[in-house]
Amino acid sequence: GAGVSQSPSNKVTEKGKDVELRCDPISGHTALYWYRQSLGQGLEFLIYFQGNSAPDKSGLPSDRFSAERTGGSVSTLTIQRTQQEDSAVYLCASSPLGLSYTDTQYFGPGTRLTVL
Amino acid sequence: LAKTTQPISMDSYEGQEVNITCSHNNIATNDYITWYQQFPSQGPRFIIQGYKTKVTNEVASLFIPADRKSSTLSLPRVSLSDTAVYYCLVGPYQTGANNLFFGTGTRLTVIP
Repeated sequence: GAGVSQSPSNKVTEKGKDVELRCDPISGHTALYWYRQSLGQGLEFLIYFQGNSAPDKSGLPSDRFSAERTGGSVSTLTIQRTQQEDSAVYLCASSPLGLSYTDTQYFGPGTRLTVL
Repeated sequence: LAKTTQPISMDSYEGQEVNITCSHNNIATNDYITWYQQFPSQGPRFIIQGYKTKVTNEVASLFIPADRKSSTLSLPRVSLSDTAVYYCLVGPYQTGANNLFFGTGTRLTVIP
């Protein structure tokens, strides 16, 4: 079946502009996660949605970052007033239940964001 | 989450068995050990997960000694397509502890 998809695959923007990144999780997966990966670094957790529960926003680096998940499916990560340090690959993942660390997470290909 | 330490990089020739060891001295009783693989320009992909002793699947084997303070991912007869970054993660089987902590991983380069 279809995996996790993300769009756009690449985004170049100017400093100060807002950007929206989209994630389509695997159909039926309850949990959805956003991470970001800077060049040569590991992944940094940003936010986690699980069913109808309030999202875990503990990883968001500043109030310029926000995310929503509509209808328990598609998610949008929004970065307002982008800064050059926001340049990274933004990865989305979904898991079937999301109730435990041991649930396998399935990752999308990522969106490469470049802020000029 | 327990901190993990693994080699930054490794090189191997095609056809050899590769063993990547991860240290997790502070692993807790309810922690599991999970390995992910990440190819260039792709998101990470789950490889294998275990709690103790040995786990084997179609991709790899995971060896965990009795004290669980380390684990070894074993890739049999690697090919060029196994060139990737391999991440060792340790975390609990408990509700709510879902975000994965990835370190910098081990960059494996398979040489022809």
